[in-house]
Amino acid sequence: GAVVSQHPSWVICKSGTSVKIECRSLDFQATTMFWYRQFPKQSLMLMATSNEGSKATYEQGVEKDKFLINHASLTLSTLTVTSAHPEDSSFYICSALGTGFSYEQYFGPGTSLTVT
Amino acid sequence: GQNIDQPTEMTATEGAIVQINCTYQTSGFNGLFWYQQHAGEAPTFLSYNVLDGLEEKGRFSSFLSRSKGYSYLLLKELQMKDSASYLCAVVDNDYKLSFGAGTTVTVRA
Repeated sequence: GAVVSQHPSWVICKSGTSVKIECRSLDFQATTMFWYRQFPKQSLMLMATSNEGSKATYEQGVEKDKFLINHASLTLSTLTVTSAHPEDSSFYICSALGTGFSYEQYFGPGTSLTVT
Repeated sequence: GQNIDQPTEMTATEGAIVQINCTYQTSGFNGLFWYQQHAGEAPTFLSYNVLDGLEEKGRFSSFLSRSKGYSYLLLKELQMKDSASYLCAVVDNDYKLSFGAGTTVTVRA
């Protein structure tokens, strides 16, 4: 149980275009999901907290107009990187908060974004 | 703010034991996680400590001292497949995880 999927697993796009990444909880409902970014040989940095039915909460330094997050259902959150630039190339990972009184987050497999 | 420190790299021999230390200074504490991450993959859960003491789970054990802001992950009987990055992460009152930079463990034959 507690499986989280991401799509696509990798994507290459041209500078200036937008890319959408989907994060789905497959066998449980997730009212809260998180989006992280990880540059090579660095740790995960939290970008934003996504709550179903409400606006996402962004961490300091993350541009909310560039990284659009939509958590439209209890099993799906999407991250759209708008007007992507080469510096946005990174590994993007989502996670979903477990149900009940648990602090455990279940991670998706990640999406590798390369902007050329 | 959150400040989580762990060593950058460690090397050990197959069959040996390695201890990865993690110190933290955080605003809000609701437990500490250890994750394993292979390159290009998502982190996988290893352990969660919220009370002081040692939690043992097979070859992996994790220890927490809240008063000292200190944890360690102990890997026993090292195998080649244990070569990976190990991440220490603290969860705050808002369920947010703050990660350390990760410790790359290399297991040599």
